[in-house]
Amino acid sequence: ETGVTQTPRHLVMGMTNKKSLKCEQHLGHNAMYWYKQSAKKPLELMFVYSLEERVENNSVPSRFSPECPNSSHLFLHLHTLQPEDSALYLCASSQDWLADYNEQFFGPGTRLTVL
Amino acid sequence: AQSVTQLDSQVPVFEEAPVELRCNYSSSVSVYLFWYVQYPNQGLQLLLKYLSGSTLVKGINGFEAEFNKSQTSFHLRKPSVHISDTAEYFCAVRGPSSASKIIFGSGTRLSIRP
Repeated sequence: ETGVTQTPRHLVMGMTNKKSLKCEQHLGHNAMYWYKQSAKKPLELMFVYSLEERVENNSVPSRFSPECPNSSHLFLHLHTLQPEDSALYLCASSQDWLADYNEQFFGPGTRLTVL
Repeated sequence: AQSVTQLDSQVPVFEEAPVELRCNYSSSVSVYLFWYVQYPNQGLQLLLKYLSGSTLVKGINGFEAEFNKSQTSFHLRKPSVHISDTAEYFCAVRGPSSASKIIFGSGTRLSIRP
């Protein structure tokens, strides 16, 4: 595997379910990100982890719970979601969160549908 | 704080025609500018970036963009498009501070007609 991978690619869940999204980066980067991409809206940054420490939390509801066990893996735990949470969830990584250049490499995303 | 506006949500063009995707930004300080492309069912991929220096930036797949500070614009251009360029294009801006976040525009969907 190369680059940034995400599993599952598609997920359908009910509002009472608990599920997790997984992201893995094979680039040796130190920073990882979760974004939400909804139709007709700009990408919304949700969380940023740098060296496994959360450095950014953009007022995301507590029904979304991130976890970064090591610099290569990032999870997004989901529970009691709402239909408006249906979106494409993108994971990204970059070499260094604080670097001026800070190019981000994106995974293919998980298409989440909440019924 | 920075913001970015992509004026066109959709741009249809014929194959082999030129295209320009518009991007305007707002910032009181110097910024870094990016264009990303998202092909169907894929994540975002960096097309090109402006950090400093020459205002004309060349990227992958024959795309280029010009940084215009006076007009606060960073429009993306390609002289001749192909069917394979069908995708969504995102302009993004980041401030100079090491703690600045990348702010993305709402995207422009480029559709190529044969």
